[in-house]
Amino acid sequence: NAGVMQNPRHLVRRRGQEARLRCSPMKGHSHVYWYRQLPEEGLKFMVYLQKENIIDESGMPKERFSAEFPKEGPSILRIQQVVRGDSAAYFCASSPSVHEQYFGPGTRLTVT
Amino acid sequence: AQSVTQLDSQVPVFEEAPVELRCNYSSSVSVYLFWYVQYPNQGLQLLLKYLSGSTLVKGINGFEAEFNKSQTSFHLRKPSVHISDTAEYFCAVSEGRAGANNLFFGTGTRLTVIP
Repeated sequence: NAGVMQNPRHLVRRRGQEARLRCSPMKGHSHVYWYRQLPEEGLKFMVYLQKENIIDESGMPKERFSAEFPKEGPSILRIQQVVRGDSAAYFCASSPSVHEQYFGPGTRLTVT
Repeated sequence: AQSVTQLDSQVPVFEEAPVELRCNYSSSVSVYLFWYVQYPNQGLQLLLKYLSGSTLVKGINGFEAEFNKSQTSFHLRKPSVHISDTAEYFCAVSEGRAGANNLFFGTGTRLTVIP
């Protein structure tokens, strides 16, 4: 059973471009979470999704950020018009149920 | 909202010595508690968790943690560390209620094991 997969592992974008981060949960997991880790900080919750539904997006910035978890395919975190402050590591976690999250290796976004 | 405090940002310790990484949380409701380890340029790996039951929890790699409700603490311990334990350790908490699934993380403690 493959673990949580994220791609790309590294992503470089110029200011104003769009960034699309993908997360494939572990087989059988229907819960997906996105977290952001700024340098020298802990992870901050962004959004919690189940298939085709956003359950909790209380940690998502109000503008430019969106997330989806379609019926088929990976979960996508989309950042429009990136700015330097978006540079961070973005981690996805999946869960078969509550209270047990398995993390992917992360996508390191660099905005130049 | 929950908050998690890891007082020690860096902990150097000699190989084969014991170590304790401290974690305190603030919450007025019941919580679930976790410790994760992050190796350089990798994702987080679950070390151990407390959901209910015995307050002493044993995890992987010889680590254990004790839940102390009165002190709102969940300190991580290992009696004898190895070089391979050098990593960043994160304490996390989630509320123990339906629908409250997201984790709140501390800022991490960097454990460096010195040969």
